[in-house]
Amino acid sequence: GAVVSQHPSRVICKSGTSVKIECRSLDFQATTMFWYRQFPKQSLMLMATSNEGSKATYEQGVEKDKFLINHASLTLSTLTVTSAHPEDSSFYICSAPVGGGFTDTQYFGPGTRLTVL
Amino acid sequence: GESVGLHLPTLSVQEGDNSIINCAYSNSASDYFIWYKQESGKGPQFIIDIRSNMDKRQGQRVTVLLNKTVKHLSLQIAATQPGDSAVYFCAEGGSNFGNEKLTFGTGTRLTIIP
Repeated sequence: GAVVSQHPSRVICKSGTSVKIECRSLDFQATTMFWYRQFPKQSLMLMATSNEGSKATYEQGVEKDKFLINHASLTLSTLTVTSAHPEDSSFYICSAPVGGGFTDTQYFGPGTRLTVL
Repeated sequence: GESVGLHLPTLSVQEGDNSIINCAYSNSASDYFIWYKQESGKGPQFIIDIRSNMDKRQGQRVTVLLNKTVKHLSLQIAATQPGDSAVYFCAEGGSNFGNEKLTFGTGTRLTIIP
């Protein structure tokens, strides 16, 4: 089945530094990927839609200058949290749609746990 | 056992019994509905999906029911196993199915009692 990977799985950084999270589709190509964040015991909230070859589309309230998204190829999207602060600590998860079955389905990566000290 | 996802976020079921997890969705224009399972510290895992032109779809040990009249979605898990313990999220999307953004429900924690 379709596999989406993320790297790193866990990162701890100091306040004010930037952190890059990678999302890869391992056995399929994805012109679109999605980035979500999830706080403890809460649901997933969409942050942005990453589009290969064009700018990302951000959800209302998400700062595009703080959460930089680059869809570098058909198998890689990166999320960079710039000047991270403790309130950015969260679980970041990406997903990518896969077709060919009953319908196109979003498959999720394993997530990246970000802790900002 | 039965749970309403928005009001009773925890459901405990005896191993071997059937479980029903419910979800009330918000957008009457949604065309696509999915159930995901999330284990602690992991990303959501796809379980089953259904389109708005259907009212029932079955998978292996799972059945999804859709009632568009009352905007209600349910996930039935038959013969529950310890590995079914997780948080279950319903999600809704538009006519572009998995190619567009999904809106997730609040989730229900299912605990299987051995």
